[in-house]
Amino acid sequence: QKEVEQNSGPLSVPEGAIASLNCTYSDRGSQSFFWYRQYSGKSPELIMSIYSNGDKEDGRFTAQLNKASQYVSLLIRDSQPSDSATYLCAVNGVNTGFQKLVFGTGTRLLVSP
Amino acid sequence: ETGVTQSPTHLIKTRGQQVTLRCSSQSGHNTVSWYQQALGQGPQFIFQYYREEENGRGNFPPRFSGLQFPNYSSELNVNALELDDSALYLCAISPGGPQETQYFGPGTRLLVL
Repeated sequence: QKEVEQNSGPLSVPEGAIASLNCTYSDRGSQSFFWYRQYSGKSPELIMSIYSNGDKEDGRFTAQLNKASQYVSLLIRDSQPSDSATYLCAVNGVNTGFQKLVFGTGTRLLVSP
Repeated sequence: ETGVTQSPTHLIKTRGQQVTLRCSSQSGHNTVSWYQQALGQGPQFIFQYYREEENGRGNFPPRFSGLQFPNYSSELNVNALELDDSALYLCAISPGGPQETQYFGPGTRLLVL
């Protein structure tokens, strides 16, 4: 079982729709969770971080965390063609003294005009 | 903008050679992590440096080594290059310290022939 799993996609949504990206993780002791966006040929860019169960909203983005189900999601409202990218879910591995991010393989999102 | 720079941007080497990749940030943050991202995969943690000492390491062989300098710039060295070392190498700074959120630089793309 992979430590962090994501559907590779592509997830295709029309402009203006809600895109829902999902991620599951295996380490029940994980404490912090991140979503990064990566455009083709570029480096990952932090979109959201979440540490507690529930929802966290930032503009058009909402991150949702359910530690009991070991599930993290990212909702993108009013999707735009510029949101087309690969979205990487990252989980902080349980370690002492340093943050080791464990990434999924990413979900490719395509937003069509 | 993270203020993180990496050099070179692209590099071609042949199998068996050695390579040094560099990372620096405008503000001189004391924590830097290195990741390897193969094509179609999520980044994989190589190691983290904090105040010039290796603070944690992932599942990479000893031919992957690093340094952090007093100005907090960092180097990743890879000896005896293998074809599978072809990847995007990312450094990430943690402005808040070793256990805090990481922000990635633009990366160095290495091709091993």
